[in-house]
Amino acid sequence: GENVEQHPSTLSVQEGDSAVIKCTYSDSASNYFPWYKQELGKGPQLIIDIRSNVGEKKDQRIAVTLNKTAKHFSLHITETQPEDSAVYFCAASMNAGNMLTFGGGTRLMVKP
Amino acid sequence: DARVTQTPRHKVTEMGQEVTMRCQPILGHNTVFWYRQTMMQGLELLAYFRNRAPLDDSGMPKDRFSAEMPDATLATLKIQPSEPRDSAVYFCASGLASTGVNTEAFFGQGTRLTVV
Repeated sequence: GENVEQHPSTLSVQEGDSAVIKCTYSDSASNYFPWYKQELGKGPQLIIDIRSNVGEKKDQRIAVTLNKTAKHFSLHITETQPEDSAVYFCAASMNAGNMLTFGGGTRLMVKP
Repeated sequence: DARVTQTPRHKVTEMGQEVTMRCQPILGHNTVFWYRQTMMQGLELLAYFRNRAPLDDSGMPKDRFSAEMPDATLATLKIQPSEPRDSAVYFCASGLASTGVNTEAFFGQGTRLTVV
């Protein structure tokens, strides 16, 4: 089955700096890679996703890159703000709507 | 607005008691997932339904856990008997997976279960 590794497990940055979270996956059949943000006491919420026919996708301060050959993908947050503090999860699956295998999560702390 | 609804939000129960968690998926979605979240194991898939049929429950302890979808608007996860190690947050998520049309998984707010 699929295995997703995520690093780092914790990340502390100063407000305004960039944050990068990296994930690797094992199953070359996976073709859908979402990123979820989980705030305290809430369920994970999708913030951005990428499909395997695309190498990069950007949405305002958030971008995701995918390297299919190396089987890794990354989340980039620029100009971080205190409200970006949360736990971020990467995941992989075969097509959106199908079951997701999650990485272990990254606790991001943005210091004002 | 469309969202996945889970009840109860919190549940404290004594070891050995039966626990039932409920989930109302987003109308029109045909996939339902149950995930368990703990500090040690992260987010683990327990069960996966498509068009109300169970497709994967390999992550679920079969002796005490059961998951069902009595109809398209209700999914249930039952633990009987409950044990302290079942203490966790249980999330339900729903999505749409069909030929040519797919959406991401939308998560509910979770049920925080504490077994004492």
